[in-house]
Amino acid sequence: EADIYQTPRYLVIGTGKKITLECSQTMGHDKMYWYQQDPGMELHLIHYSYGVNSTEKGDLSSESTVSRIRTEHFPLTLESARPSHTSQYLCASSERLQGTNEKLFFGSGTQLSVL
Amino acid sequence: RKEVEQDPGPFNVPEGATVAFNCTYSNSASQSFFWYRQDCRKEPKLLMSVYSSGNEDGRFTAQLNRASQYISLLIRDSKLSDSATYLCVVLDRGSTLGRLYFGRGTQLTVWP
Repeated sequence: EADIYQTPRYLVIGTGKKITLECSQTMGHDKMYWYQQDPGMELHLIHYSYGVNSTEKGDLSSESTVSRIRTEHFPLTLESARPSHTSQYLCASSERLQGTNEKLFFGSGTQLSVL
Repeated sequence: RKEVEQDPGPFNVPEGATVAFNCTYSNSASQSFFWYRQDCRKEPKLLMSVYSSGNEDGRFTAQLNRASQYISLLIRDSKLSDSATYLCVVLDRGSTLGRLYFGRGTQLTVWP
């Protein structure tokens, strides 16, 4: 089993609130990712990091920010939540396999509902 | 055009059936390919990597056709526990760091 943890598992919050979704991994992986996934739809990359103090925006403009101060910790922050942010947020880290392959380990996800 | 295209299904098959999923990718320079499995309301988990020569893991066989930019997954002797969404994933290494692209997934339901 993967050692990557997300909290909270579920979050229901009002519009305009600031929220932080936590993600931690104990595998020592340098690469970490945040994905957003709506039911029945593909995963969209919103942020990624290749190591401490390295963060990049992904494909989806989610109006969120991330930080990577420690290898094991990659929190996602929404400064002002809106109903359009309602979705499942999945954190992942990756392990390099042989050759060019990588294996992603996902956390259990945070289901966010903004009222 | 999306990086990775999959038939979303759903595929509804009886136990014991053989079922095949297809996936196409748009970047001919893509280097690595994977199938992930995602159960309902759960996180995706790696099912298998896909190698150029094709590879098999028990009842699962993955094939890659680089010329056609096409990946397939074959499941033989389907079990009830195979019911899930199967995600096609492609790794592009435009830079040294690489990016993973996910398909929308193909939903499979195996019925008794």
